[in-house]
Amino acid sequence: EVQLVESGGGLVQPGGSLRLSCAASGFTFSIYNMNWVRQAPGKGLEWVSHISSSSSAIYYADSVKGRFTISRDNAKNSLYLQMNSLRAEDTAVYYCASYCVSCFGGFDPWGQGTLVTVSS
Amino acid sequence: DIQMTQSPSSLSASVGDRVTITCRTSQSISSYLNWYQQKPGKAPKLLIFAASTLQSGVPSRFSGSGSGTDFTLTISSLQPEDFATYYCQQSYSTRFTFGPGTKVDIK
Repeated sequence: EVQLVESGGGLVQPGGSLRLSCAASGFTFSIYNMNWVRQAPGKGLEWVSHISSSSSAIYYADSVKGRFTISRDNAKNSLYLQMNSLRAEDTAVYYCASYCVSCFGGFDPWGQGTLVTVSS
Repeated sequence: DIQMTQSPSSLSASVGDRVTITCRTSQSISSYLNWYQQKPGKAPKLLIFAASTLQSGVPSRFSGSGSGTDFTLTISSLQPEDFATYYCQQSYSTRFTFGPGTKVDIK
């Protein structure tokens, strides 16, 4: 079964750091580009970051550039998001999602999400 | 960045109704337009990619059309399990963007 499982969310103070992980199984993780997408409470979806299969191409939304770092370890079938200098507006459910080449770049599958709450 | 708009932002409909949601982009994206369905507390699910291709397992009552800057998602006969929020997304640019969403609820 194709599966993505996020972990690492929690409560953090403004200015703090958190590292999210996404464990992949059931597919050849190393050949797929990956993404992080977030959703603030009661709000819509916001793309956060993209990493190519070999980590050679990385992109960030302006809202997180310079504060967040995406990375991956293909040997461990894992995707990461290092989040520094966190702000209240970073509070959201964070999803990892695979970039589906055969789907014209649609995101599929998605993980179940992990909640990050930035609050003092 | 490519900006996305959706209309309406919400709609109320009955089981069996035909529902149409529109998505517009700020520049031409050819057919690099995807549609997602999201139910409360769940991850989004890819419904349609390349503007009009149904993802495997998606019921045929869903259809998509359009190219360039104007796109449409249609549900031909709304079913109880279709009440959800629908998002469009462009994958033309690697700075991917989502539309603001359309919430479909029960009239």
